[in-house]
Amino acid sequence: ETGVTQSPTHLIKTRGQQVTLRCSSQSGHNTVSWYQQALGQGPQFIFQYYREEENGRGNFPPRFSGLQFPNYSSELNVNALELDDSALYLCASSFSDSYSGNTIYFGEGSWLTVV
Amino acid sequence: AQTVTQSQPEMSVQEAETVTLSCTYDTSESDYYLFWYKQPPSRQMILVIRQEAYKQQNATENRFSVNFQKAAKSFSLKISDSQLGDAAMYFCASGRGRDKIIFGKGTRLHILP
Repeated sequence: ETGVTQSPTHLIKTRGQQVTLRCSSQSGHNTVSWYQQALGQGPQFIFQYYREEENGRGNFPPRFSGLQFPNYSSELNVNALELDDSALYLCASSFSDSYSGNTIYFGEGSWLTVV
Repeated sequence: AQTVTQSQPEMSVQEAETVTLSCTYDTSESDYYLFWYKQPPSRQMILVIRQEAYKQQNATENRFSVNFQKAAKSFSLKISDSQLGDAAMYFCASGRGRDKIIFGKGTRLHILP
């Protein structure tokens, strides 16, 4: 139990549609990161938010966007879904106030299938 | 760019035996952290062990320990007294501070009863 919750757990979307995935961070955490994990692969960094500002982005197109809210919960939005977007999307939260290597905690992920 | 390489896609070990999972990494950072994560079939990523690169002493957590060779950029995980519950995907990862974490492709560990 990491205190990071994600919703929905599973969903199926049609190519071209839009999807919003949600993450509730562990209490007191001010940093949230999103990762995409395709089947048989390790997680790939999408982006990170620190105190509601984007704080780094991986090699993902602009149709992947996000938000972090004042309560530090977060959303991942993906527009114009493609078949290759089918993956497990992991949210991870941590408390960061300096570059001190803080432990991050993962949620159980949202399984997205694009058909 | 940071890279993490796990050269063993799958490994098997007899219950109660010891197994070592290999990992090499590359980074230009001077201050970084290394991690081993476990991902069981439930898909929840669970932190197994963490190593600060500036510390020479190898990290240990109960039956889990690492062999950190900074000059060789090697970070292996040793699991002693393997248990059935250790069966999972294991990911080696590298990160710096609150930045992104780079994961390897994983090693699937099977525990043989």
